[in-house]
Amino acid sequence: QKEVEQNSGPLSVPEGAIASLNCTYSDRGSQSFFWYRQYSGKSPELIMSIYSNGDKEDGRFTAQLNKASQYVSLLIRDSQPSDSATYLCAVPRGGGSYIPTFGRGTSLIVHP
Amino acid sequence: DVKVTQSSRYLVKRTGEKVFLECVQDMDHENMFWYRQDPGLGLRLIYFSYDVKMKEKGDIPEGYSVSREKKERFSLILESASTNQTSMYLCASVDGNQPQHFGDGTRLSIL
Repeated sequence: QKEVEQNSGPLSVPEGAIASLNCTYSDRGSQSFFWYRQYSGKSPELIMSIYSNGDKEDGRFTAQLNKASQYVSLLIRDSQPSDSATYLCAVPRGGGSYIPTFGRGTSLIVHP
Repeated sequence: DVKVTQSSRYLVKRTGEKVFLECVQDMDHENMFWYRQDPGLGLRLIYFSYDVKMKEKGDIPEGYSVSREKKERFSLILESASTNQTSMYLCASVDGNQPQHFGDGTRLSIL
């Protein structure tokens, strides 16, 4: 099975700082990449999708994709305590499959 | 906006019981999924379905079965519940290679 790796954390950053979350994947054929946010006891919610190399920005969130190096990152600018959650990276399994493999998630703590 | 509805947020059952978890989506998606999520293990795929009456095993299908009689509804069945099936169960639906949409989850406790 294709692998998606994330540092479990916790990643602790002060309020207002930039939080950087990383994800590496093993399948070079992957074409789409997703970041989900999951609050404790809640279900994952999509925050970013990225399909091509480079950066994609949406408000305080920026997704960065580097297919040559097989990593995708999520940057959160001006981090807020409400950003404290687990962030899941998801990558379809390749070979035309629409079934994603999820990383185990990185726990982010933003402290005031 | 896509709506995926799971029938229960919390459920408590006894070992040996047959347990049904229901999931309904309102976006006419072809593909539906059942996952379980446990601390430290992440999301694990139990079963998925790509059409009515069609189902495929995921990574951990043992002890589970599924039913998809209508396009909008995907049911997960625990044939004889055991304590190691205590978990958070998440249903998701998706259209093609778009991101999945999740229901609110069912926290199932087997006593």
